[in-house]
Amino acid sequence: SAVISQKPSRDICQRGTSLTIQCQVDSQVTMMFWYRQQPGQSLTLIATANQGSEATYESGFVIDKFPISRPNLTFSTLTVSNMSPEDSSIYLCSAGHVEAFFGQGTRLTVV
Amino acid sequence: GIQVEQSPPDLILQEGANSTLRCNFSDSVNNLQWFHQNPWGQLINLFYIPSGTKQNGRLSATTVATERYSLLYISSSQTTDSGVYFCAVGENNNDMRFGAGTRLTVKP
Repeated sequence: SAVISQKPSRDICQRGTSLTIQCQVDSQVTMMFWYRQQPGQSLTLIATANQGSEATYESGFVIDKFPISRPNLTFSTLTVSNMSPEDSSIYLCSAGHVEAFFGQGTRLTVV
Repeated sequence: GIQVEQSPPDLILQEGANSTLRCNFSDSVNNLQWFHQNPWGQLINLFYIPSGTKQNGRLSATTVATERYSLLYISSSQTTDSGVYFCAVGENNNDMRFGAGTRLTVKP
């Protein structure tokens, strides 16, 4: 199993600003994943974060809006840039060796 | 990409009733998991079940990989079972694709 810690757990941000979300895994993993869950919706994969290379983004998500860092095998950050109210969502990171585990999520509200 | 369909979208039960949730997927997968999302948004791992049958207390799951579906059974439901149940599948490296979920409400 993997224990995944995310912070912050929630935040309220002004439009036009940026927020960086941190994700820490209790063991080394090759890949980490970032998801968005819009209100009342399912989870959508934003990008896959590999250590030592640029993140791979899913269709509809771009690096300028969601820059990702992966400095080592246990840590990653996701930045939500130039926020608008439409970015209000829960953002979750995930990792795992066989089974996928998720952090507790970051509930973001943009006002 | 792979498609994941869950049914029913909503389910209302009386406490003590049994239920079956279904997940259909459009292609072969290496990973299939069931999650319960609680009212605080936390995703709870229920089953890692790319094939076969597993049981954990009142919950059990079966995946028939050759026919591309999985079932989650909840027996003797309790109010604490309420929430959204997600099926998610992974093709390669745990980049999971989620179904739309089944919202379960268990009434006392």
